[in-house]
Amino acid sequence: DAGVIQSPRHEVTEMGQEVTLRCKPISGHDYLFWYRQTMMRGLELLIYFNNNVPIDDSGMPEDRFSAKMPNASFSTLKIQPSEPRDSAVYFCASSFGLSYEQYFGPGTRLTVT
Amino acid sequence: ILNVEQSPQSLHVQEGDSTNFTCSFPSSNFYALHWYRWETAKSPEALFVMTLNGDEKKKGRISATLNTKEGYSYLYIKGSQPEDSATYLCAFKDDYKLSFGAGTTVTVRA
Repeated sequence: DAGVIQSPRHEVTEMGQEVTLRCKPISGHDYLFWYRQTMMRGLELLIYFNNNVPIDDSGMPEDRFSAKMPNASFSTLKIQPSEPRDSAVYFCASSFGLSYEQYFGPGTRLTVT
Repeated sequence: ILNVEQSPQSLHVQEGDSTNFTCSFPSSNFYALHWYRWETAKSPEALFVMTLNGDEKKKGRISATLNTKEGYSYLYIKGSQPEDSATYLCAFKDDYKLSFGAGTTVTVRA
C-alpha cells in the first residue's frame, strides 16, 4: 500500500481564495482524521470520519472550514475564504479502528498571503 | 478539551546516554495511549499503542510503560543515537476521540 496520500504537498494562495486539500486513506481503514499543525497550538484534530460519516467536527475553527468524505477512498478539506492565519501544515491520517495507531500522510503546507 | 501534558518540552542528550520523559493524561475514561515519533519535515509515525494498566512495550532501544490509575506513561530511549532526534508525541484516547500532547523534542548530540 502506498500509505496515506495527500495533495497538493504545497499550496500558496491569496487571502480570500478557496483552498481544497485532498486525502486518500489507506485502503481498508475505516477512520479518517484531519489535523492542523501550527507553532502555537501544535497538532490539532479538526474533524474525523468513521465509515465516511463525520463523527466529531468540534475542532473545525469556524464556518470557513468544511470537510467531506464522499467515499471510503477520498476526503477533502475546504477553506473558503482563506485567511493568512490559516497558514499551517494540514495532515490527514487514517486508522483501522479508533483505538489503533494512525497512519499519517505527508501533509499539505498551506501558505495564505 | 482533554489535558494531555508532556514534559519536558525539550531535552538534549549526549550520544550513548539513556533518557526518559513523561506523558500525563486524565485517569478516567481511559481507552488507549498512543506514542508517535515525529521527525522534522516528516509525518508522525506510530511507535506504540498501549491499552492496559501496567503495559510495557518495546521497539529496539525505545520502550514505554503505562500507569492508567495515576494517569501517566513514560517513554525511555536507551543508548541514544543521533537518529533518535525527533519530537515524541503522546495521545490519549477516551471513548470519543484522540487528543495529542504538545510533544517532547529530543536532540541527541554526537
